[in-house]
Amino acid sequence: QQPVQSPQAVILREGEDAVINCSSSKALYSVHWYRQKHGEAPVFLMILLKGGEQKGHEKISASFNEKKQQSSLYLTASQLSYSGTYFCGTEDNNDMRFGAGTRLTVKP
Amino acid sequence: DAGITQSPRHKVTETGTPVTLRCHQTENHRYMYWYRQDPGHGLRLIHYSYGVKDTDKGEVSDGYSVSRSKTEDFLLTLESATSSQTSVYFCAIQGGEYFNSPLHFGNGTRLTVT
Repeated sequence: QQPVQSPQAVILREGEDAVINCSSSKALYSVHWYRQKHGEAPVFLMILLKGGEQKGHEKISASFNEKKQQSSLYLTASQLSYSGTYFCGTEDNNDMRFGAGTRLTVKP
Repeated sequence: DAGITQSPRHKVTETGTPVTLRCHQTENHRYMYWYRQDPGHGLRLIHYSYGVKDTDKGEVSDGYSVSRSKTEDFLLTLESATSSQTSVYFCAIQGGEYFNSPLHFGNGTRLTVT
């Protein structure tokens, strides 16, 4: 079953912050986050493997709450280069399922 | 960048014809995946492989078959292409066990079925 991402889309001005959420109806053991720019392949951002774990990548960080079966991606002081579609991925019966994506647009 | 190549990059084919997409890796990774990407659906798993001749179905496997006769190559075949299979297809590789390591994606194949 696919995880559910919210919001579906968000528009920011440079320097603003955003949060993207990913939730699952099943128990989570790991969460992956990827970013895809238009016309390109998805690119790995980070993996969270333990409950409560937070990881960072530049000014992008994420948290993982296994009790709530959800993860959140935090984009701080957004830059134009952060624009793209963000996907979370979760395990399901030995394969990985991705959310439908959150389209992030950062404007000058 | 992970050594993963998809071919062809673009393909236009007619309904009812068979089509084979190729994914080639130079990383000697055990796990390989085929996803399709459609607007509003994100990435959906078609088939995956956990070793030579070891494959399994994903959530949208109907109408697709795969083969992996060598570690480096994972082929996706549309047995009789339909317009609903018009999509962008991504191959991904993964080096570690299960999901403790990242997926690295190829550049995709844009397939149009007319």
